[in-house]
Amino acid sequence: GAVVSQHPSWVICKSGTSVKIECRSLDFQATTMFWYRQFPKQSLMLMATSNEGSKATYEQGVEKDKFLINHASLTLSTLTVTSAHPEDSSFYICSARARTVLYGYTFGSGTRLTVV
Amino acid sequence: SQELEQSPQSLIVQEGKNLTINCTSSKTLYGLYWYKQKYGEGLIFLMMLQKGGEEKSHEKITAKLDEKKQQSSLHITASQPSHAGIYLCGAATSGNTGKLIFGQGTTLQVKP
Repeated sequence: GAVVSQHPSWVICKSGTSVKIECRSLDFQATTMFWYRQFPKQSLMLMATSNEGSKATYEQGVEKDKFLINHASLTLSTLTVTSAHPEDSSFYICSARARTVLYGYTFGSGTRLTVV
Repeated sequence: SQELEQSPQSLIVQEGKNLTINCTSSKTLYGLYWYKQKYGEGLIFLMMLQKGGEEKSHEKITAKLDEKKQQSSLHITASQPSHAGIYLCGAATSGNTGKLIFGQGTTLQVKP
């Protein structure tokens, strides 16, 4: 079945630094990848959608310059949280979608970011 | 934009009891997905429904999509502690090729 690998699973960084999170589709080509953020005891909030080779489309209220998304290949998308602050601490999770319906939406295992 | 209302937001049941979680969309659903999550972990895919009136079952979990494709329900029969977690319904936009948005989630606790 379709597998999406997300790394790191957790990261602690100092305020003001940048953190990169990777999302890889291991056994299929992900034409579209999605990035979500989840606050404690809340649902997943879609941050942005990225298609391979194109600029990401951000949801309303999500800062493009804060959350940089790159989808350079059909198997890799990255989310970089720039100049991180404590309020950026959250659980980030990616999802990948292939061109065909067969695989549906496959989710990574998530990354817990703590900014101190 | 499409919105999903999920109810109840939380549920505590005694082991062995049946329960139902509902998901209502403000627009016609092109694809409705049910996932289970333990907070801080990834999502476990449960079922996907696309056709009006469709019903799918896996072990003790049954999901249905109404004929109008605006409402779905997830039913668990004879609940067990292993069913505990957060249940999320997700709706695919733009003809099932677009983004997936989620309802608020339902936190289920099963008391032994």
